Amino acid sequence: QKEVEQNSGPLSVPEGAIASLNCTYSDRVSQSFFWYRQYSGKSPELIMSIYSNGDKEDGRFTAQLNKASQYVSLLIRDSQPSDSATYLCAVLLIAGDYKLSFGAGTTVTVRA
Amino acid sequence: NAGVTQTPKFRILKIGQSMTLQCTQDMNHNYMYWYRQDPGMGLKLIYYSVGAGITDKGEVPNGYNVSRSTTEDFPLRLELAAPSQTSVYFCASILAQGHEQYFGPGTRLTVT
Repeated sequence: QKEVEQNSGPLSVPEGAIASLNCTYSDRVSQSFFWYRQYSGKSPELIMSIYSNGDKEDGRFTAQLNKASQYVSLLIRDSQPSDSATYLCAVLLIAGDYKLSFGAGTTVTVRA
Repeated sequence: NAGVTQTPKFRILKIGQSMTLQCTQDMNHNYMYWYRQDPGMGLKLIYYSVGAGITDKGEVPNGYNVSRSTTEDFPLRLELAAPSQTSVYFCASILAQGHEQYFGPGTRLTVT
């Protein structure tokens, strides 16, 4: 089993719809969770971080964390063409460690 | 602050040649990382450093070497380039464990 797995894409959604991205991870003691957005040919940029169970909202983005199910998700509401990118889930798998483990990414295309 | 800078942006190497990818950060971050990203894939950790003089292997270190003589600089050395090292290389840094990783713009390397 991979340490961090994301739902395979690509994901195509119409403009204005909700895009739902999922990520599961292998280690129950993981503490820190991040979502990065990566435009084609560019470096990843952080859009959300979440550390405790529940929802965290930032503008049109909502991250949801369920540590018991080892599951973190990202919802993009009112999707815009500018949201078309690859979204990477990253997890600090080992408490006290310094290394993030990344999923393979889910590519989202928002259709105008 | 310039953040994390990388040079060169692009490079074509012949098989067997050597080169150094440069990475510099001006945020006084202790932790620095080198990743590679193959097309359609997530980020794979090559090497990382938790401070000047301290480096450690990531999940794909073979064919690479690093050094960390200062807090700011973390160069990545390829000694005998192979086609399998064709990839995009990202350098990143963080202030402290669990904090956001800042990525450089990347170096696109082709080995032919």
